Amino acid sequence: AQSVTQLDSQVPVFEEAPVELRCNYSSSVSVYLFWYVQYPNQGLQLLLKYLSGSTLVKGINGFEAEFNKSQTSFHLRKPSVHISDTAEYFCAVIRGGSQGNLIFGKGTKLSVKP
Amino acid sequence: GAGVSQSPRYKVAKRGQDVALRCDPISGHVSLFWYQQALGQGPEFLTYFQNEAQLDKSGLPSDRFFAERPEGSVSTLKIQRTQQEDSAVYLCASSPGTGLSIVFGQGTRLTVV
Repeated sequence: AQSVTQLDSQVPVFEEAPVELRCNYSSSVSVYLFWYVQYPNQGLQLLLKYLSGSTLVKGINGFEAEFNKSQTSFHLRKPSVHISDTAEYFCAVIRGGSQGNLIFGKGTKLSVKP
Repeated sequence: GAGVSQSPRYKVAKRGQDVALRCDPISGHVSLFWYQQALGQGPEFLTYFQNEAQLDKSGLPSDRFFAERPEGSVSTLKIQRTQQEDSAVYLCASSPGTGLSIVFGQGTRLTVV
């Protein structure tokens, strides 16, 4: 069965510092990879996705992620965070060839402090 | 509509009460998904529709949970005889085809007291 592991449940960081949110997945078949952001009392908003092609994926709000097949990782990065980036971030996968239901990690709460 | 619309946004139910949660997907979206998000957890898949056909209900936690999409558009998730463990945010999502371009609604927060 597929699983997604987000290694950090909480990440505190100061404003304008770089941040990396880690995600590993388990799969022996091809997968599609996603990062979503959830602000308080809101639904999920897609930040970026990897379907194929270049392993470095750029998303909205200055975020990017790198797909590493050998390490089964898809870490999310931002070079300089803002207070407004404070939110919960979810990594998710879809197994290639499936109907498309997402399997999510437990989330990482990013807190940006002034 | 412009996005996926869910109603109500908040629902408080007494234990044992039946509830119905509504999802209005983006017009023309073929696929519709329901997810359950418990406090402090990631969303978990409940069920999937392609048009009016419910193709996967493997994530429904018990036979108290029932979902329908009779005309291939609006969907309703019904929970009978609610229990405290049903307290969660229920997220609806839709996409034009598979889940590769999925759009989420804002969710319905259900609290069972």
